[in-house]
Amino acid sequence: DAGVTQSPTHLIKTRGQQVTLRCSPKSGHDTVSWYQQALGQGPQFIFQYYEEEERQRGNFPDRFSGHQFPNYSSELNVNALLLGDSALYLCASSAGTGFSSYNEQFFGPGTRLTVL
Amino acid sequence: GEDVEQSLFLSVREGDSSVINCTYTDSSSTYLYWYKQEPGAGLQLLTYIFSNMDMKQDQRLTVLLNKKDKHLSLRIADTQTGDSAIYFCAESLEGTNAGKSTFGDGTTLTVKP
Repeated sequence: DAGVTQSPTHLIKTRGQQVTLRCSPKSGHDTVSWYQQALGQGPQFIFQYYEEEERQRGNFPDRFSGHQFPNYSSELNVNALLLGDSALYLCASSAGTGFSSYNEQFFGPGTRLTVL
Repeated sequence: GEDVEQSLFLSVREGDSSVINCTYTDSSSTYLYWYKQEPGAGLQLLTYIFSNMDMKQDQRLTVLLNKKDKHLSLRIADTQTGDSAIYFCAESLEGTNAGKSTFGDGTTLTVKP
């Protein structure tokens, strides 16, 4: 089992550009969450996808959008990049069996995005 | 809103116990977690505790929850150099499959030989 995989590992973009980050969940998982981790800070929740729909969203502008595919993989898109978008973007997957049950969330290694 | 706070740094000697503390503000928190992050890696879940529990022990790890004071601690017994990492406290209102987890900014644990 490969666990959660993310691509690319590193990415350098310039202000105003657009970027797409990709995530493949752990085998058997159908729920994908995205987090932004700025340097020296904890991860901040961006949004979560389940059954190809955005189920919950954190306090991020509409420049951040996502998608989940039928095979449960997911993309995070960021438009009109700002310097402040430079961060480690983490993807996490879990098995969605309901709102009240606990299922461990597994994190990928992240994509390091640098905006110049 | 939710807020999770941790002290930034902790330094201990190899073989000593480490205690990492965390406070949270949302009394509705249902699950509280401890994650470990090593350089260049993602987050690894170490343990979690459900809000109706006071304590949970898992090998060298002991989690204590004081729900009245909204205080969570992680004790690592017999700390080893391999335990050097950043430790994050996190909370969520439901299970992680349901919605967001809110993280603290992490405690950097340095273990000196």
